[in-house]
Amino acid sequence: AQSVTQLGSHVSVSEGALVLLRCNYSSSVPPYLFWYVQYPNQGLQLLLKYTSAATLVKGINGFEAEFKKSETSFHLTKPSAHMSDAAEYFCAVSGPDNDYKLSFGAGTTVTVRA
Amino acid sequence: DAGVIQSPRHEVTEMGQEVTLRCKPISGHDYLFWYRQTMMRGLELLIYFNNNVPIDDSGMPEDRFSAKMPNASFSTLKIQPSEPRDSAVYFCASSLRQEGTTFFGQGTRLTVV
Repeated sequence: AQSVTQLGSHVSVSEGALVLLRCNYSSSVPPYLFWYVQYPNQGLQLLLKYTSAATLVKGINGFEAEFKKSETSFHLTKPSAHMSDAAEYFCAVSGPDNDYKLSFGAGTTVTVRA
Repeated sequence: DAGVIQSPRHEVTEMGQEVTLRCKPISGHDYLFWYRQTMMRGLELLIYFNNNVPIDDSGMPEDRFSAKMPNASFSTLKIQPSEPRDSAVYFCASSLRQEGTTFFGQGTRLTVV
């Protein structure tokens, strides 16, 4: 079985500050890992994904995430927060052994202070 | 491609009524998923199809829920009869196996009063 845990249901950052969202996964096979972003009243938009290539993955809107097998982590970062980054962020895991069904974390809501 | 298209975007219905949610996946995708999002339970997978065939419906909460995929470009999720606890946002998503990325529709916000 695969699962993810997102640490912190809510993160508040100042505009221009580092954004760090934490995600730890559990998987018995090499996982596929994803970060999705959800803006209010919108669907989920893919930010980035890891599928066993480079461990540092760059995504859209200046976000990146690093896969660390030893720590079973896939934390999401952005060096400088923008007001438009205010949204809910979901970490998810899947894999070819389970038809790529996504298992989601509980989500982290990001607010950005001016 | 226009992405995954869901209709309606919003649905308000009275308890006991039948509700049908619709989805058009991305052309060429061979997997289709229905998810439900609530404050209490987060995002949960209800059912998914591979090449129009239902593979796993263990997430469907009750027999009141049913889903069909009559062809590669259309799927429905039906609730009959609807209850207030069914109020949620329902997402349809699709993917291509060899690519492994799931794309989501904008969702249908269902309110049962």
